[in-house]
Amino acid sequence: DTGVSQDPRHKITKRGQNVTFRCDPISEHNRLYWYRQTLGQGPEFLTYFQNEAQLEKSRLLSDRFSAERPKGSFSTLEIQRTEQGDSAMYLCASSRITLVATGELFFGEGSRLTVL
Amino acid sequence: DQQVKQNSPSLSVQEGRISILNCDYTNSMFDYFLWYKKYPAEGPTFLISISSIKDKNEDGRFTVFLNKSAKHLSLHIVPSQPGDSAVYFCAATGGGSNYKLTFGKGTLLTVNP
Repeated sequence: DTGVSQDPRHKITKRGQNVTFRCDPISEHNRLYWYRQTLGQGPEFLTYFQNEAQLEKSRLLSDRFSAERPKGSFSTLEIQRTEQGDSAMYLCASSRITLVATGELFFGEGSRLTVL
Repeated sequence: DQQVKQNSPSLSVQEGRISILNCDYTNSMFDYFLWYKKYPAEGPTFLISISSIKDKNEDGRFTVFLNKSAKHLSLHIVPSQPGDSAVYFCAATGGGSNYKLTFGKGTLLTVNP
């Protein structure tokens, strides 16, 4: 399977704990995006990378959130000191730069976070 | 503020009939519009798109119509099939931010056999 892969698929944690999600994009895609989706809402943009450079972060991304994409391959999204409001589906997507203007992104299956 | 609005949370149609999903937007800078389909426990998958320079794009059973003056687009599925049952998200991009999509809240389509 050469699609976008996310791990873990589901994470349950206690408030105050740190969690980390991993995303492996489609190999030839140089752009990688993180979105968050809460119940009853559409996905909301969090941040994106072009190769290893993080080019933009949404205001939704508080200081407790950090994302990295070392070597321009896989990416990690870490949430420190989790809060119940962080409970959501975290979606990773990738694209080739030639497709960016069309907005067509390839999404992974998501990592669902539940903060107790 | 919701820049992309899908005002119908759900829609139910009979197999073989037409499904029409609607979407409105407020940002005049959007120049590309997309529809994504999402099954439970899966990520959204791209369905069809349309550039703001066009008013219609067709791909098999799926057609997207764009009315720029009304800031409105719609997705038509003809004929509808039970496998089309999913959540459909309208999304938009543009205005120098072509790298990120703004999504609506989605419409749950149920196609009854």
